[in-house]
Amino acid sequence: QSVLTQPPSASGTPGQRVTMSCSGSSPNIGSNYVYWYQQLPGTAPKLLIYRNNQRPSGVPDRFSGSKSGTSASLAISGLRSEDEADYYCATWDDSLSGWVFGGGTKLTVL
Amino acid sequence: QVQLVQSGAEVKKPGASVQVSCKTSGYTFTGYHMHWVRQAPGQGLEWMGWINAKSGGTKYAQKFQGRVSMTRDTSITTAYMELSGLRSDDTAVFYCARGDSTGYYDPFDYWGQGTVVTVSS
Repeated sequence: QSVLTQPPSASGTPGQRVTMSCSGSSPNIGSNYVYWYQQLPGTAPKLLIYRNNQRPSGVPDRFSGSKSGTSASLAISGLRSEDEADYYCATWDDSLSGWVFGGGTKLTVL
Repeated sequence: QVQLVQSGAEVKKPGASVQVSCKTSGYTFTGYHMHWVRQAPGQGLEWMGWINAKSGGTKYAQKFQGRVSMTRDTSITTAYMELSGLRSDDTAVFYCARGDSTGYYDPFDYWGQGTVVTVSS
């Protein structure tokens, strides 16, 4: 059981905009930055969004992050087939004194 | 460019220990923490802990306390993770991933390729 809750799956068609959520609580998302990672099949995860809504260089602006209260969201616009992957949110948890991940959302591009 | 290259796959018997190495290049090794993350087959990501590459100080997730040890060798810019008392449910891919200078912000910006550890009798 993950500390952060993500829907197990999401889907969209090419060109569509999809969003996925990450729900937490006061000691984690409510108090700290949220990070998002993309894991393509058979590969290591890759940093997608840092500090709630910042994109590392090289990450397309189709990807955006937001946070409100104890929840965060990742949005992908102009969906492409290569976006099909698992997406994980992560944050620091003050109560656990450690980094915690969501269970991941598997994105399918129909 | 930043690179993290991990050691190869391991097969271990229950009760044994495994050590995974993470050789780094392309940045100042002692300026960052190194995290370790576990991913069981078909499952999500799980943080195991970090090591401060400069001081050698460590912080472990409660779940792994007493079974994990993280060390580093600054002369060869390599971090190590040793997990003891292996059980079948430790079968997983283990990743090293760079953190920031504090361990409390901006984690996992670069990742190793992963090391598969299989625990089987």
